[in-house]
Amino acid sequence: SYGLTQPPSVSVSPGQTASITCSGDKLGDKYARWYQQKPGQSPVVVIYQDSKRPSGIPERFSGSNSGNTATLTISGTQATDEADYYCQAWDSSSSWVFGGGTKLTVL
Amino acid sequence: EVQLVESGGGLVQPGGSLRLSCSASGFTFSSNAMHWVRQAPGKGLEYVSGISTNGGTTYYADSVKGRFTISRDNSKNTLSLQMSSLRVEDTAVFYCVKGGSTPAASDGFDIWGQGTMVTVSS
Repeated sequence: SYGLTQPPSVSVSPGQTASITCSGDKLGDKYARWYQQKPGQSPVVVIYQDSKRPSGIPERFSGSNSGNTATLTISGTQATDEADYYCQAWDSSSSWVFGGGTKLTVL
Repeated sequence: EVQLVESGGGLVQPGGSLRLSCSASGFTFSSNAMHWVRQAPGKGLEYVSGISTNGGTTYYADSVKGRFTISRDNSKNTLSLQMSSLRVEDTAVFYCVKGGSTPAASDGFDIWGQGTMVTVSS
């Protein structure tokens, strides 16, 4: 079955750039999505189709996807960005797959 | 306002059954695939099941295949998940999620319900 791998945790200082990676076999050939989930809340999509931002998502959130790795980048990270982030992709043999999640800490 | 409201969660013994429902409003339910995603306490997101607009195509995670059945009633804007032979490891918050025009569409998963808790324990 298809798998997506994320680092368990990433730390960043306020105002700096945070990068969260998601790795999977030929992930660049698929569309990657990213979700933000804060404690006690439902997930919210922050990036879809690799790099598109839904309305209402700040411009500091951006995404890229190439080769085996998709990356979520948060520029000028704010304290309010502290959350769990999940990547997701569709695989024809496994249907939808989520990464294990990355806890972003803003120190 | 686009809204998904889940119901039906609760405490059930191992081996038991439970039926979850999701009431949709604020969008054309019959034009969207729908999904169920779960999250065990303190764990990550796990895709459970999906269904096409007319119910003719369904997807299941290997972990629930043969035990869970997804269905929809477009006349009532309702999505359901019938769960049987429940196991302790099925304990999770179950989210109803709006999909795209097809289950595999990349523009879905834009709206999530608040979730309903399912606890499997003796």
